[in-house]
Amino acid sequence: AQTVTQSQPEMSVQEAETVTLSCTYDTSENNYYLFWYKQPPSRQMILVIRQEAYKQQNATENRFSVNFQKAAKSFSLKISDSQLGDTAMYFCAFMKHVVDNDMRFGAGTRLTVKP
Amino acid sequence: DGGITQSPKYLFRKEGQNVTLSCEQNLNHDAMYWYRQDPGQGLRLIYYSQIVNDFQKGDIAEGYSVSREKKESFPLTVTSAQKNPTAFYLCASAGQGNQPQHFGDGTRLSIL
Repeated sequence: AQTVTQSQPEMSVQEAETVTLSCTYDTSENNYYLFWYKQPPSRQMILVIRQEAYKQQNATENRFSVNFQKAAKSFSLKISDSQLGDTAMYFCAFMKHVVDNDMRFGAGTRLTVKP
Repeated sequence: DGGITQSPKYLFRKEGQNVTLSCEQNLNHDAMYWYRQDPGQGLRLIYYSQIVNDFQKGDIAEGYSVSREKKESFPLTVTSAQKNPTAFYLCASAGQGNQPQHFGDGTRLSIL
């Protein structure tokens, strides 16, 4: 079974600074997908970024980028130029490369951006 | 606009009562999912359905039931057998081909 670990329950960062959230996972699969979701106080789950394991290049979406280390089974999220609206719970998720879209989530990291 | 609608936003249940949470999507997605989220925790899978008239148990299916009579709808019933139902419930859907899941806004269930 796949497990996803987020070792930082809470983090904080000053506005405009950069912060990195950690995620590790355990799998015997070679092809899979990794995701970061954001859950603001409104509780809606919002997809932030996606990475395919077969791609060497790290995914980037505006201020959000990942550091994907396949051998180390590590998938960290870097938020640059942090904004107050980035305050949220962030969940790392794993999905096998099969039909059923079954995703496994980490326990989350609560990020607070301070003015 | 396409999306996933969960209703109601807040729901209260009396002891021994069954309640049903609604989830509707107009994204033409084949797969639908129900998750439970407890305070400070991640999402745990209750049930999922890959196709109409078929569904599978997730990690914490005991005390819950679902149906998938229509592609657009995947209601979740929290039965009286679920002894600790107070939680936030999220519904999600996904298209084919390893697509990420899209989520509704959730339903918060509390016990009176």
